[in-house]
Amino acid sequence: DTGVSQDPRHKITKRGQNVTFRCDPISEHNRLYWYRQTLGQGPEFLTYFQNEAQLEKSRLLSDRFSAERPKGSFSTLEIQRTEQGDSAMYLCASSPQGAAGKQYFGPGTRLTVT
Amino acid sequence: GESVGLHLPTLSVQEGDNSIINCAYSNSASDYFIWYKQESGKGPQFIIDIRSNMDKRQGQRVTVLLNKTVKHLSLQIAATQPGDSAVYFCAENMGLTGGGNKLTFGTGTQLKVEL
Repeated sequence: DTGVSQDPRHKITKRGQNVTFRCDPISEHNRLYWYRQTLGQGPEFLTYFQNEAQLEKSRLLSDRFSAERPKGSFSTLEIQRTEQGDSAMYLCASSPQGAAGKQYFGPGTRLTVT
Repeated sequence: GESVGLHLPTLSVQEGDNSIINCAYSNSASDYFIWYKQESGKGPQFIIDIRSNMDKRQGQRVTVLLNKTVKHLSLQIAATQPGDSAVYFCAENMGLTGGGNKLTFGTGTQLKVEL
């Protein structure tokens, strides 16, 4: 029973560098979500894919952020020109069609920008 | 959700006691609610959900109560165990384009189980 996986689990980068995270959803889940979580807070919605189509983006997702899901399976989240304020846990979740709001979360990628 | 500082509300209970964690939600149009458990360094883990046409739902050792009049949710954990120690979040659901769902998380509560 394979859950949502994310890679890397931890990333330390210097300000101004680009980083890319990967998410592998539960197989056959056509919906995929990215959230960001800062210390002491709940996850905040960033973006949503249904299959390969990105259907919703939060205003939290600045122009430096881009997400893709080219084949409707795994997804990548890229942050360009990282800033210290980007330091957070980036969580991926997936759900099957018709699952109401029940989303299955991965372990997250902890990003630290120095 | 509301922004909070680094200090989460904390609930300390003795092992074997019942725990009640409360949550206020903001959108009266939300039709679905979930409780998640998050252990340190891990992603949120689904515990139990409830639709807005219900006021109570029971799972294994957990019960969720929904009061739509005051926009309040509670999670009750029976016979709390050390393994229940974690941060608990409620989340309300909002539908998105194409049938997806955006979860808005409430303020987390740190549950500490004392032996």
